[in-house]
Amino acid sequence: EPEVTQTPSHQVTQMGQEVILRCVPISNHLYFYWYRQILGQKVEFLVSFYNNEISEKSEIFDDQFSVERPDGSNFTLKIRSTKLEDSAMYFCASSEMYRVGEETQYFGPGTRLLVL
Amino acid sequence: RKEVEQDPGPFNVPEGATVAFNCTYSNSASQSFFWYRQDCRKEPKLLMSVYSSGNEDGRFTAQLNRASQYISLLIRDSKLSDSATYLCVVNGGYGQNFVFGPGTRLSVLP
Repeated sequence: EPEVTQTPSHQVTQMGQEVILRCVPISNHLYFYWYRQILGQKVEFLVSFYNNEISEKSEIFDDQFSVERPDGSNFTLKIRSTKLEDSAMYFCASSEMYRVGEETQYFGPGTRLLVL
Repeated sequence: RKEVEQDPGPFNVPEGATVAFNCTYSNSASQSFFWYRQDCRKEPKLLMSVYSSGNEDGRFTAQLNRASQYISLLIRDSKLSDSATYLCVVNGGYGQNFVFGPGTRLSVLP
């Protein structure tokens, strides 16, 4: 069964450093997403991406964040200058379509980011 | 008002019990509804989509009441493996993002 993959599984970084989280969505999916989950809290939407551009973003997704699809398979989330409060699990998701009944999102296993 | 609210939990039930989870959402424009389960420190995994007419998948039954903006999940004959956090998820109206509830934790006890 096809699945979303993410690397690395864990990342530890110093405050102020840049990090890049990588995702490989399911191959025939067209919509890609990043969510985050701070420990003990709910899953929160960051950004959605379609046709090589951002289609929607939350207020969490400020200028420190960017997303890119550098090739036909990878989808990346970059945090330019990490803050302590960026420590969280980051989930990538993908969906085949965005139409009622076909928009189920499938999640990757996550990258646990710890900012020291 | 929070966008998606769920029973606070946790629910501790014996094996074989029937347990029901409730969820309410605030955005009347939401079109799609789901239950996901999340095991500790893992990703959310789709349990089932929720359709207007209600739907059943084995021991799991989901109901949707659009007028009341209410979603439910019923688990019959609960198993130890059902222990997880159950997430109520709705789409953000005409947006693409999913809005997650805080989850309700279920522990099925032997």
